[in-house]
Amino acid sequence: NAGVTQTPKFQVLKTGQSMTLQCAQDMNHNSMYWYRQDPGMGLRLIYYSASEGTTDKGEVPNGYNVSRLNKREFSLRLESAAPSQTSVYFCASSGGWNTEAFFGQGTRLTVV
Amino acid sequence: EDQVTQSPEALRLQEGESSSLNCSYTVSGLRGLFWYRQDPGKGPEFLFTLYSAGEEKEKERLKATLTKKESFLHITAPKPEDSATYLCAVRRGSQGNLIFGKGTKLSVKP
Repeated sequence: NAGVTQTPKFQVLKTGQSMTLQCAQDMNHNSMYWYRQDPGMGLRLIYYSASEGTTDKGEVPNGYNVSRLNKREFSLRLESAAPSQTSVYFCASSGGWNTEAFFGQGTRLTVV
Repeated sequence: EDQVTQSPEALRLQEGESSSLNCSYTVSGLRGLFWYRQDPGKGPEFLFTLYSAGEEKEKERLKATLTKKESFLHITAPKPEDSATYLCAVRRGSQGNLIFGKGTKLSVKP
């Protein structure tokens, strides 16, 4: 049972380039989330999808877009990467609003 | 404003030296408090969920407790393999997403 799978694990981008971070879960969860983790800042919510077909902004959505492709997959897109988006990105999923979230292993992104 | 504060930021213990980590919170419509463990280079790993004041949960050397304003993660006779960053998060009722504290980095020396 893989849980939450993120690809890629590492990525280096040049300023202005675009890329999509992929996330898939095999736990039949309704809700999915994208967080970023920066030193001294903790985990901050970028976007979330409470259920298939819905997406909502979190705490730090600027510069990002998301797509809930189906119940399993939730992607995060950087249209024009900036050095401030250098971070570790985590995808998570949960069965419902009151249950624990399970995290992927993260994508370490560096924008130069 | 909803907020989660963890203390201390870092904690160094000798093997076998018991201690506690604190998570204080202010949130409207609490729908659960969650503890996670995070090892370097890995994603957070779920430990416990607490829903109401007075609730306690245990797992091996860890015990989590909850009051109306804070939660404690008690570590009894820790071992070096307990070294990690421990994260606390609360879920708000209106949106359902998690608000995380900045974590406590625990180091246990043999």
